[in-house]
This record gives sequence, structure tokens and C-alpha cells, in this order.
Amino acid sequence: GAGVSQSPSNKVTEKGKDVELRCDPISGHTALYWYRQSLGQGLEFLIYFQGNSAPDKSGLPSDRFSAERTGGSVSTLTIQRTQQEDSAVYLCASSDSGRAFNEQFFGPGTRLTVL
Amino acid sequence: GNSVTQMEGPVTLSEEAFLTINCTYTATGYPSLFWYVQYPGEGLQLLLKATKADDKGSNKGFEATYRKETTSFHLEKGSVQVSDSAVYFCAFEGSAGGTSYGKLTFGQGTILTVHP
Repeated sequence: GAGVSQSPSNKVTEKGKDVELRCDPISGHTALYWYRQSLGQGLEFLIYFQGNSAPDKSGLPSDRFSAERTGGSVSTLTIQRTQQEDSAVYLCASSDSGRAFNEQFFGPGTRLTVL
Repeated sequence: GNSVTQMEGPVTLSEEAFLTINCTYTATGYPSLFWYVQYPGEGLQLLLKATKADDKGSNKGFEATYRKETTSFHLEKGSVQVSDSAVYFCAFEGSAGGTSYGKLTFGQGTILTVHP
């Protein structure tokens, strides 16, 4: 596609439920990133996939958060047993990491609301 | 640790006013520096970047110069327009030996509102 796409655009869930957020990166981009944008914390890095390397999970806030990337393309971010503090906009980005200092292209985000 | 300190907002200006949004960073190595912009109802997009000391990034009339001695990357525009109203984020990506660390570290964001 022309850009990074994310689904759903909005998700409302009840506390304690699990949610899955999907990201489709730009075709051919080997690097994929998840960030979270919330009022209290600003924009935070969550996790980074680069090709077939082990992902950098250093930004995941707890073990309730996990992500996978299948076939080096689509990625799913899963939040288990959601809490109200998980409410935020979850942003996905991709880049062509064949170049150094590469630009990350962001998707429109998924707004998650935990009631 | 690595961090970005960005001028707090919100910033409110009249059209054609001069804009400066300050940004300083703390990082090891030689990071690449970026300004991202988020227009109302739109996704985050790259505004400009600089990858080494003394580089000047520019786009849409905005400029920022990579100042290694002051670890700063201040955003400037000589004459703002109403359409520049948005949230601006300073960010860096660490690097060592040309290999990107990958992740971006962002400042808190500065809301800019430009009135006619």
C-alpha cells in the first residue's frame, strides 16, 4: 500500500479484556516499530522489529504487552488483561533500514480506550 | 540516560510571526536528530532531519541546525502561517558506527496555534 495502515482505528474495551492491534507496514520495509502516545507519557517507544533479528522489546511496559511480526510484514500488538492506564493511541511505523539514519513512516494509529 | 527536552507549550502566535521551539538532547554517540509534526486529525510525519553536527535540516520554511556543542536542535520559522498549527515533536535516533539503534526518543511535544 501507499503508507502504513493500522486497524482498528478505534477500540473500546473493558478492563481485564485482551486486545489485538494490527499494523501493515509499507511494502518492502524491513523495520517495524510500535510506539504509544498518551497524555501523561508523551510518545514512548514500545518494540522494534528488524528483519529476522530478535526484536528490541526494551520499551514494553509490562509482561501483559507482547508483539509479533509474521513473515517479516504484518505485526500484531497484543495487550492482555487491559488496564485503564493502557488507554492511549498506539502508533506503528516502518522504515527501510537498508539505509542508515532512515526515516520512519507512521500509521494513523489505533486509539484504545479501556473502560 | 538518553532523553529529549523540548520547550513546553502551548505556543500561540499571530500569522507571520517568528517561531522558535527549543530542543536539547542527552545521548551517547552521534545521534540523528528529527522534527516530526502532527497536524490536527493526521498522523505523525517527518518535517526535517539532520544526521551530523552542523547539518541544517529544512522543509516548508522550517529550519533546524544540529549543534553538537550545545546538544541542541532548535526549530525555527521566519513567518508562520495558520496552516502551521500542529503539534511538533523533537526526536533523536542513536547511532554508533553508522548502525542505527532504530528506536526514536521523542520530546513531549509542543502545541503550536497560529491565529490569523
